Amino acid sequence: GQQLNQSPQSMFIQEGEDVSMNCTSSSIFNTWLWYKQDPGEGPVLLIALYKAGELTSNGRLTAQFGITRKDSFLNISASIPSDVGIYFCAGPGNQFYFGTGTSLTVIP
Amino acid sequence: KAGVTQTPRYLIKTRGQQVTLSCSPISGHRSVSWYQQTPGQGLQFLFEYFSETQRNKGNFPGRFSGRQFSNSRSEMNVSTLELGDSALYLCASSLAGGLAVYEQYFGPGTRLTVT
Repeated sequence: GQQLNQSPQSMFIQEGEDVSMNCTSSSIFNTWLWYKQDPGEGPVLLIALYKAGELTSNGRLTAQFGITRKDSFLNISASIPSDVGIYFCAGPGNQFYFGTGTSLTVIP
Repeated sequence: KAGVTQTPRYLIKTRGQQVTLSCSPISGHRSVSWYQQTPGQGLQFLFEYFSETQRNKGNFPGRFSGRQFSNSRSEMNVSTLELGDSALYLCASSLAGGLAVYEQYFGPGTRLTVT
Protein backbone atom coordinates (compact mmCIF):
# COMPACT_ATOMS: atom_id res chain seq x y z
CA GLY A 1 0.00 0.00 0.00
CA GLN A 2 0.90 3.64 -0.05
CA GLN A 3 3.38 4.81 2.55
CA LEU A 4 3.73 8.31 3.93
CA ASN A 5 7.19 9.06 5.29
CA GLN A 6 7.63 11.94 7.67
CA SER A 7 10.82 13.71 8.60
CA PRO A 8 12.31 14.40 10.92
CA GLN A 9 11.23 11.51 13.12
CA SER A 10 11.71 13.67 16.23
CA MET A 11 12.63 17.25 17.05
CA PHE A 12 13.83 18.97 20.19
CA ILE A 13 13.56 22.73 20.00
CA GLN A 14 13.66 25.78 22.26
CA GLU A 15 10.45 27.62 23.01
CA GLY A 16 10.03 30.45 20.54
CA GLU A 17 11.76 28.71 17.66
CA ASP A 18 10.08 27.94 14.35
CA VAL A 19 9.53 24.31 13.32
CA SER A 20 9.40 22.69 9.89
CA MET A 21 8.46 19.12 9.09
CA ASN A 22 7.52 17.33 5.92
CA CYS A 23 5.71 14.32 4.57
CA THR A 24 6.47 12.50 1.35
CA SER A 25 4.73 9.78 -0.58
CA SER A 26 5.62 7.54 -3.49
CA SER A 27 2.12 8.10 -4.84
CA ILE A 28 0.08 11.15 -5.69
CA PHE A 29 -2.45 12.40 -3.17
CA ASN A 30 -5.29 14.77 -4.00
CA THR A 31 -5.83 15.73 -0.38
CA TRP A 32 -3.40 16.21 2.47
CA LEU A 33 -4.30 16.56 6.11
CA TRP A 34 -2.24 17.30 9.20
CA TYR A 35 -3.11 16.02 12.65
CA LYS A 36 -1.60 16.42 16.13
CA GLN A 37 -1.84 13.76 18.79
CA ASP A 38 -1.29 14.32 22.49
CA PRO A 39 -0.38 11.38 24.75
CA GLY A 40 -3.40 9.23 25.56
CA GLU A 41 -5.67 11.07 23.14
CA GLY A 42 -6.88 10.69 19.59
CA PRO A 43 -5.40 12.79 16.76
CA VAL A 44 -6.84 16.28 16.30
CA LEU A 45 -7.25 17.74 12.82
CA LEU A 46 -5.09 20.83 12.31
CA ILE A 47 -5.21 21.68 8.62
CA ALA A 48 -6.73 20.21 5.44
CA LEU A 49 -5.28 20.91 1.97
CA TYR A 50 -7.18 20.22 -1.23
CA LYS A 51 -5.22 21.79 -4.07
CA ALA A 52 -1.64 21.38 -5.29
CA GLY A 53 0.41 24.42 -4.33
CA GLU A 54 -2.15 25.50 -1.74
CA LEU A 55 -0.83 27.26 1.36
CA THR A 56 -3.17 27.27 4.36
CA SER A 57 -2.73 28.72 7.83
CA ASN A 58 -4.34 27.98 11.16
CA GLY A 59 -2.98 30.40 13.75
CA ARG A 60 0.75 29.78 14.08
CA LEU A 61 0.53 26.72 11.84
CA THR A 62 1.03 26.88 8.08
CA ALA A 63 0.81 23.89 5.77
CA GLN A 64 1.54 23.56 2.08
CA PHE A 65 0.35 21.06 -0.50
CA GLY A 66 3.39 20.21 -2.61
CA ILE A 67 3.19 21.02 -6.30
CA THR A 68 4.07 17.43 -7.27
CA ARG A 69 1.17 16.23 -5.06
CA LYS A 70 3.60 13.77 -3.50
CA ASP A 71 4.55 15.87 -0.51
CA SER A 72 3.29 18.31 2.07
CA PHE A 73 4.93 20.57 4.63
CA LEU A 74 3.94 21.87 8.04
CA ASN A 75 5.49 24.87 9.73
CA ILE A 76 4.90 26.05 13.28
CA SER A 77 6.03 29.54 14.13
CA ALA A 78 7.13 30.75 17.57
CA SER A 79 6.68 27.37 19.25
CA ILE A 80 5.18 27.16 22.73
CA PRO A 81 5.17 24.29 25.26
CA SER A 82 1.67 23.14 24.31
CA ASP A 83 2.91 22.39 20.77
CA VAL A 84 4.46 19.23 22.22
CA GLY A 85 3.03 16.10 20.66
CA ILE A 86 3.19 13.89 17.61
CA TYR A 87 2.30 15.39 14.25
CA PHE A 88 0.90 13.17 11.52
CA CYS A 89 0.24 13.78 7.88
CA ALA A 90 -2.57 11.82 6.27
CA GLY A 91 -4.18 11.34 2.93
CA PRO A 92 -6.99 9.36 1.34
CA GLY A 93 -6.34 6.73 -1.28
CA ASN A 94 -8.21 3.45 -1.53
CA GLN A 95 -8.09 3.72 2.24
CA PHE A 96 -6.95 6.44 4.61
CA TYR A 97 -3.18 6.56 5.12
CA PHE A 98 -1.28 8.12 7.99
CA GLY A 99 2.34 9.11 8.06
CA THR A 100 4.98 7.76 10.40
CA GLY A 101 4.77 10.83 12.63
CA THR A 102 7.09 13.57 13.85
CA SER A 103 7.50 13.83 17.61
CA LEU A 104 7.98 17.41 18.79
CA THR A 105 9.48 18.38 22.14
CA VAL A 106 9.57 22.04 23.11
CA ILE A 107 12.07 23.00 25.78
CA PRO A 108 10.93 25.99 27.85
CA LYS B 1 -21.39 19.86 19.91
CA ALA B 2 -20.20 16.70 21.61
CA GLY B 3 -17.15 14.99 20.14
CA VAL B 4 -16.62 11.37 19.20
CA THR B 5 -17.01 9.10 22.19
CA GLN B 6 -15.56 5.64 22.60
CA THR B 7 -16.26 3.03 25.22
CA PRO B 8 -14.67 1.53 27.11
CA ARG B 9 -11.50 3.62 27.42
CA TYR B 10 -9.43 0.75 28.76
CA LEU B 11 -9.81 -2.99 28.45
CA ILE B 12 -7.76 -6.00 29.48
CA LYS B 13 -8.51 -9.32 27.82
CA THR B 14 -6.94 -12.74 27.68
CA ARG B 15 -5.59 -14.35 24.53
CA GLY B 16 -8.33 -16.29 22.74
CA GLN B 17 -11.18 -14.12 24.02
CA GLN B 18 -13.19 -11.73 21.91
CA VAL B 19 -13.88 -8.05 22.44
CA THR B 20 -16.39 -5.45 21.26
CA LEU B 21 -15.59 -1.75 21.18
CA SER B 22 -18.15 0.99 20.73
CA CYS B 23 -18.05 4.38 19.02
CA SER B 24 -20.59 7.21 18.93
CA PRO B 25 -19.84 9.73 16.16
CA ILE B 26 -20.34 13.46 16.23
CA SER B 27 -24.01 14.30 15.70
CA GLY B 28 -24.69 14.58 11.96
CA HIS B 29 -21.62 12.59 10.95
CA ARG B 30 -22.58 9.48 9.03
CA SER B 31 -19.16 8.07 8.18
CA VAL B 32 -17.27 6.16 10.86
CA SER B 33 -13.78 4.75 10.47
CA TRP B 34 -11.70 2.58 12.76
CA TYR B 35 -7.92 2.56 13.18
CA GLN B 36 -5.39 0.52 15.10
CA GLN B 37 -2.42 2.37 16.54
CA THR B 38 0.69 0.57 17.78
CA PRO B 39 4.24 1.81 18.40
CA GLY B 40 5.61 -0.49 15.72
CA GLN B 41 3.06 -0.10 12.93
CA GLY B 42 1.72 3.38 13.62
CA LEU B 43 -1.83 4.29 12.65
CA GLN B 44 -3.39 1.68 10.40
CA PHE B 45 -6.82 1.83 8.80
CA LEU B 46 -9.17 -0.99 9.73
CA PHE B 47 -12.47 -0.16 8.00
CA GLU B 48 -14.97 2.56 7.22
CA TYR B 49 -18.74 2.43 7.51
CA PHE B 50 -21.35 4.66 5.94
CA SER B 51 -25.10 4.14 6.10
CA GLU B 52 -24.64 0.80 7.83
CA THR B 53 -22.45 -0.50 4.99
CA GLN B 54 -18.74 -1.17 5.01
CA ARG B 55 -17.32 1.16 2.39
CA ASN B 56 -13.59 0.44 2.71
CA LYS B 57 -11.46 -2.15 4.45
CA GLY B 58 -7.80 -2.21 5.39
CA ASN B 59 -5.41 -5.14 5.40
CA PHE B 60 -6.46 -6.88 8.57
CA PRO B 61 -7.51 -10.51 9.08
CA GLY B 62 -11.14 -11.55 9.23
CA ARG B 63 -10.96 -11.66 13.03
CA PHE B 64 -11.51 -7.92 12.86
CA SER B 65 -15.06 -6.96 11.98
CA GLY B 66 -17.37 -4.07 12.47
CA ARG B 67 -20.85 -2.80 11.96
CA GLN B 68 -22.77 0.44 11.94
CA PHE B 69 -26.26 1.04 13.23
CA SER B 70 -29.00 3.22 11.79
CA ASN B 71 -28.11 6.03 14.23
CA SER B 72 -24.52 5.96 12.85
CA ARG B 73 -23.10 4.46 16.04
CA SER B 74 -20.53 1.79 15.29
CA GLU B 75 -18.98 -1.22 16.94
CA MET B 76 -15.91 -3.20 16.10
CA ASN B 77 -15.26 -6.74 17.19
CA VAL B 78 -12.06 -8.70 17.45
CA SER B 79 -12.38 -12.44 17.87
CA THR B 80 -9.78 -14.92 19.08
CA LEU B 81 -7.55 -12.22 20.50
CA GLU B 82 -3.80 -12.46 20.02
CA LEU B 83 -1.06 -10.73 21.99
CA GLY B 84 -0.32 -8.59 18.93
CA ASP B 85 -3.80 -7.12 19.04
CA SER B 86 -2.77 -5.01 22.02
CA ALA B 87 -3.14 -1.46 20.73
CA LEU B 88 -5.01 1.80 20.90
CA TYR B 89 -8.15 1.48 18.79
CA LEU B 90 -9.34 4.79 17.44
CA CYS B 91 -12.66 5.69 15.94
CA ALA B 92 -13.12 8.71 13.68
CA SER B 93 -16.23 10.27 12.19
CA SER B 94 -16.77 12.63 9.30
CA LEU B 95 -19.52 14.18 7.26
CA ALA B 96 -20.85 12.05 4.46
CA GLY B 97 -20.24 14.06 1.33
CA GLY B 98 -17.98 16.47 -0.47
CA LEU B 99 -14.44 17.20 0.59
CA ALA B 100 -15.50 17.25 4.25
CA VAL B 101 -15.61 13.47 4.14
CA TYR B 102 -11.80 13.54 4.44
CA GLU B 103 -11.82 15.69 7.58
CA GLN B 104 -11.98 13.03 10.23
CA TYR B 105 -12.55 13.75 13.91
CA PHE B 106 -11.15 11.23 16.31
CA GLY B 107 -12.32 9.91 19.63
CA PRO B 108 -9.94 9.37 22.56
CA GLY B 109 -9.52 5.69 21.74
CA THR B 110 -9.86 2.39 23.56
CA ARG B 111 -6.62 1.02 24.98
CA LEU B 112 -6.80 -2.78 24.61
CA THR B 113 -4.28 -4.96 26.38
CA VAL B 114 -4.20 -8.68 25.60
CA THR B 115 -2.45 -10.89 28.14
